[in-house]
Amino acid sequence: LAKTTQPISMDSYEGQEVNITCSHNNIATNDYITWYQQFPSQGPRFIIQGYKTKVTNEVASLFIPADRKSSTLSLPRVSLSDTAVYYCLVGEPSGGSYIPTFGRGTSLIVHP
Amino acid sequence: EAGVAQSPRYKIIEKRQSVAFWCNPISGHATLYWYQQILGQGPKLLIQFQNNGVVDDSQLPKDRFSAERLKGVDSTLKIQPAKLEDSAVYLCASSLSSNYAAPYEQYFGPGTRLTVT
Repeated sequence: LAKTTQPISMDSYEGQEVNITCSHNNIATNDYITWYQQFPSQGPRFIIQGYKTKVTNEVASLFIPADRKSSTLSLPRVSLSDTAVYYCLVGEPSGGSYIPTFGRGTSLIVHP
Repeated sequence: EAGVAQSPRYKIIEKRQSVAFWCNPISGHATLYWYQQILGQGPKLLIQFQNNGVVDDSQLPKDRFSAERLKGVDSTLKIQPAKLEDSAVYLCASSLSSNYAAPYEQYFGPGTRLTVT
């Protein structure tokens, strides 16, 4: 299965920009990169997804270099409520379907 | 729109007992996933259904775990007999589809926290 590597933890302060990088050296040609956020005692929640270059939505940006072996999730001006675990997700093709594979995640702690 | 529903939310059993979890996905979602999440780790996919067919169950311990999705809607995950290492949160998720050309956003339920003593 495709594997991802992320920092185990990160610390930041309110109002700062946070960048979390994920390595996925064996990403498949057709694979997308997806990021999820998880709060304690809840299921993960979709943040953003991309295939190449840059994707931006109302909560985050995703930067993917040309070789696609890594990706960076950028959270602008974080607040205390952004304290959570962030997962980088890639997948594997199987019979025309997408089989998701979560990494270990990055625990982000935002300080006042 | 109603989210993914799971029950029970918590379950405590002794080793060698059996347990079942239930999941009701979002209406219209063809793909249903069961994950196991051990404390401090990311979710591990156990089984993925597309409608009522199995897409992938390569990480499902088939000697003790079983899952079904009758009529392509609700699903149940069973463990029999349970072991201490099965203590985890079991998450159910659903998505519109699992077409590899464009993976769809997964919507997760709140999970069932299982403790095996």
